[in-house]
Amino acid sequence: DAKTTQPNSMESNEEEPVHLPCNHSTISGTDYIHWYRQLPSQGPEYVIHGLTSNVNNRMASLAIAEDRKSSTLILHRATLRDAAVYYCILFRNSGNTPLVFGKGTRLSVIA
Amino acid sequence: NAGVTQTPKFQVLKTGQSMTLQCAQDMNHNSMYWYRQDPGMGLRLIYYSASEGTTDKGEVPNGYNVSRLNKREFSLRLESAAPSQTSVYFCASSETSGTGANVLTFGAGSRLTVL
Repeated sequence: DAKTTQPNSMESNEEEPVHLPCNHSTISGTDYIHWYRQLPSQGPEYVIHGLTSNVNNRMASLAIAEDRKSSTLILHRATLRDAAVYYCILFRNSGNTPLVFGKGTRLSVIA
Repeated sequence: NAGVTQTPKFQVLKTGQSMTLQCAQDMNHNSMYWYRQDPGMGLRLIYYSASEGTTDKGEVPNGYNVSRLNKREFSLRLESAAPSQTSVYFCASSETSGTGANVLTFGAGSRLTVL
C-alpha cells in the first residue's frame, strides 16, 4: 500500500493561513488523496479529498502537486478550533480497500 | 441525524472478561469499520465490512471478532479481554468503497480499560 509522510507537529498563529504538507511518493494512478482531522477527544472527521486537481470546500483547500507525489492542505485562516491532528491518507479506488490512517500532524494554534 | 452511535462510551473490564461494543448508523451506508486508537497514536483498523454479510480483517484483528448484524449495525466482540486491548475504539461507516469519495463518518468513540 502506498504510504504518506507528514510532519509530526506544526504550529500556527490564529487568523493566519496554515499549509500542512504530505508526501506520497509511491502514489498510484488510482489513489485518491484524503484528509481527515481529529479534534481533541473526538472521532476523526472528513476534511477534503482529491485526485489530480486542486479542490476547495468550506473547510479547506487541497493543493496537489503536478506529479501527485505531494499535496498540501491549506487552512485559509486558522482558528483555535482548528487545533487538531490532521491525517493525510491515500485511498485506492479499487475493490474494497479501507482507509488506513498514519500518525498525522498535530497542529497547534496560538492565540 | 444521529450519524454513527457507539455504546458504551466507557467500560472497565478485568482481564479475561468478554464484552461487545455496539455500533449503529442511520445513513444507509454499505461499509462499516472498527478502528482502535492507543494514546499518542493514529488509528489502526481492526475489522471492516464492505457490505451486509461480509467482514474482513484489518491491520490488528487478533483478539477480536465482529458481526455485521444487518446494514445498520456492526458489533465488535472481545472474547477474553487483555490489558493490551486498553484503547479507544471508533466505529465508522461510509458509502460503498470503490468510489473516490468513500467519506467516513465516525462515532464518538468507546473508551475501554482492561485491568
